[in-house]
Amino acid sequence: EIVLTQSPGTLSLSPGERATLSCRASQTVSSNYVAWYQQKPGQAPRLLIYGASSRATGVPDRFSGSGSGTDFTLTISSLEPEDFAVYHCQQYGRSPLTFGGGTKVEIK
Amino acid sequence: QVQLIQSGAEVKMPGSSVKVSCKASGDTFSNYAINWVRQAPGQGLEWMGGIIPSVGVPNYARKFQGRVTFTADKSTSTAYLELRSLRSEDTAVYYCARGHIVYDFSSFHFWGRGTLVTVSS
Repeated sequence: EIVLTQSPGTLSLSPGERATLSCRASQTVSSNYVAWYQQKPGQAPRLLIYGASSRATGVPDRFSGSGSGTDFTLTISSLEPEDFAVYHCQQYGRSPLTFGGGTKVEIK
Repeated sequence: QVQLIQSGAEVKMPGSSVKVSCKASGDTFSNYAINWVRQAPGQGLEWMGGIIPSVGVPNYARKFQGRVTFTADKSTSTAYLELRSLRSEDTAVYYCARGHIVYDFSSFHFWGRGTLVTVSS
C-alpha cells in the first residue's frame, strides 16, 4: 500500500502568514490522485483540494495544491483565524486508499 | 445538495457487533461509491473500504476483511457498515463519505457527521 508521510507534524504560525504543508508518498501516485482535507475539532473532514491542484466547491482561493509523482504540497497563502485546524492528505490512485498522519496548524 | 445522515452513537461490549447506517439524499444514490472511514480518538483517518450500490461488490481494506460487511439498500438510499468481533481498539468515530465521480472510488466530496462507536466492558 502507498504510505503517505506528512510534515511537519505541527506548524505554529500567526494569522496572515503563509503555511506550506508537505505530503510525501512511498510510491508514485497515479494521475496525481491526491486530495487534501481540513478537519476542525468535533467535525467531519472537509475536502479542500482534489486531483492535487483542483479546489473543491466553495473553497477560498488562498488554498492551493501542487505537486506530482511522490511529492505534494498544500499552501495557504495568508492564514485566516478559521484556518487553524488539522490537514490530512489522501491518495486515491491505488487501493487501498490511504491518508497521511495529518499536520496541525496552530496559532503561534 | 448531497447529504449523508448517519445513525446515532453506540456503546458495545467487546466481542459483539455494531451496524452503522448512512442515508443519502439530494442525488442519485446507486452510482456513487459510499466509503467508510474511521478515526480513533486523537488519531488520523483510516479508510475501511466502500461499496458502489448499483454494482453491489464491496471493496474492503485488507485490514478489515473477514470482520466487516458493507451493504446498500437502493430502495431507501441507505448504506450500512457492520463490524464484528469488536475490541477496544475499534473505539472510533465512523464516517461515511462519497465522491463526485460515478462508479469510482475517488476523493470524498461529501461526508456524514460521523457515528461514535465505543467498545467497553
